[in-house]
Amino acid sequence: SQTIHQWPATLVQPVGSPLSLECTVEGTSNPNLYWYRQAAGRGLQLLFYSVGIGQISSEVPQNLSASRPQDRQFILSSKKLLLSDSGFYLCAWSVLWDRGNTEAFFGQGTRLTVV
Amino acid sequence: DAKTTQPNSMESNEEEPVHLPCNHSTISGTDYIHWYRQLPSQGPEYVIHGLTSNVNNRMASLAIAEDRKSSTLILHRATLRDAAVYYCILRDVTGYALNFGKGTSLLVTP
Repeated sequence: SQTIHQWPATLVQPVGSPLSLECTVEGTSNPNLYWYRQAAGRGLQLLFYSVGIGQISSEVPQNLSASRPQDRQFILSSKKLLLSDSGFYLCAWSVLWDRGNTEAFFGQGTRLTVV
Repeated sequence: DAKTTQPNSMESNEEEPVHLPCNHSTISGTDYIHWYRQLPSQGPEYVIHGLTSNVNNRMASLAIAEDRKSSTLILHRATLRDAAVYYCILRDVTGYALNFGKGTSLLVTP
């Protein structure tokens, strides 16, 4: 069966420090991969999605970047964190070329607090 | 992108049926209607999806209007564990778009 791993679960980082969040998927090949952010009391905002290795689409210009160095690995990074980067970060995957007809699976999230 | 409109919040009594509405008047012919829910401090969880016909699974039922401009998620007997934010989302033919709105916060009272 497919599983998605996201770590760490919680993270407290000072302003100006770098960030690296990692997400890996097991049990499937060539997935669509997504990064979302949820600010406190807000909805989920799609940050990036990827349809293949090295292929990243950015939905919102910001202080963050994403990379997909391997088929089932998705990394969210920042060189210098801002206070506004605080939030709940979620990784998700779905079947590639599913034409909208299958579900997406979410990780348990990373709660990032920038201090 | 076609968008959805949901009430901000709804309340239900335990063991009563719950009907969560969603309007999507600009839906295209190839958009699937998906529902997810999010419990506090957790990632969203898939509930159900459909294209034109009504759908049932172990969690819920999805009723889709004939013109597809609206849909309703039906929880047949609400439990306290069903208290969550419910999101109605349209996924297009590419499958890429998975844009969440604000959703409906469902409160279930004993």
